[in-house]
Amino acid sequence: QVTLRESGPALVKPTQTLTLTCTFSGFSLSTSGMCVSWIRQPPGKALEWLARIDWSDDKYYSTSLKTRLTISKDTSKNQVVLTMTNMDPEDTATYFCARAPRGGMDVWGQGTTVTVSS
Amino acid sequence: SYELTQPPSVSVSPGQTARITCSGDALPKRYAYWYQQKSGQAPVLVIYEDSKRPSGIPERFSGSSSGTKATLTISGAQVEDEADYYCFSTESIGYHRGVFGGGTKVTVL
Repeated sequence: QVTLRESGPALVKPTQTLTLTCTFSGFSLSTSGMCVSWIRQPPGKALEWLARIDWSDDKYYSTSLKTRLTISKDTSKNQVVLTMTNMDPEDTATYFCARAPRGGMDVWGQGTTVTVSS
Repeated sequence: SYELTQPPSVSVSPGQTARITCSGDALPKRYAYWYQQKSGQAPVLVIYEDSKRPSGIPERFSGSSSGTKATLTISGAQVEDEADYYCFSTESIGYHRGVFGGGTKVTVL
């Protein structure tokens, strides 16, 4: 059974750096073709793709956010970490991680809500 | 930047067919994926690689793609199909950045 779980702070202050961890089970990020993506959804708004890391350690970022995002993996711990710098109230959202074999997401975590406020 | 365009809303009567379109210039060369999201829940994959249905997804959900348009069809829509639906794809060959459509609210009444 494939599961993913997001964890991180529920509240961050403007200008701070957000660090989110995706802990997964039921698959290996060492397997050829396997990827994990991060996606977010502001309250009442559409889904927004943020970043993806591949089994090969290739990394891809949203064009609009690439200067603020870093994605990394720890294969031995079955974790993927996303950091986002210089947080702003507009970054308030639910953040999801998802397994993405060959790039398309198939199984999602339940999401973690992050509020940016002083 | 690359965009996928969906209609904001679609309404259908129970038992009728709902069609949701997704337009994007790279769709002739890239797969489309479709996600269903009910209020307060994580998205669920209903169609992948244009037309494949994951196990556990009812047969009334189908997908197709032609040219720059992908379509999700719900044949015989049920009340429980009322949700937001998002298409997803990636930029054209050589690029791997993902993009979602703006979402379509499907109302079954």
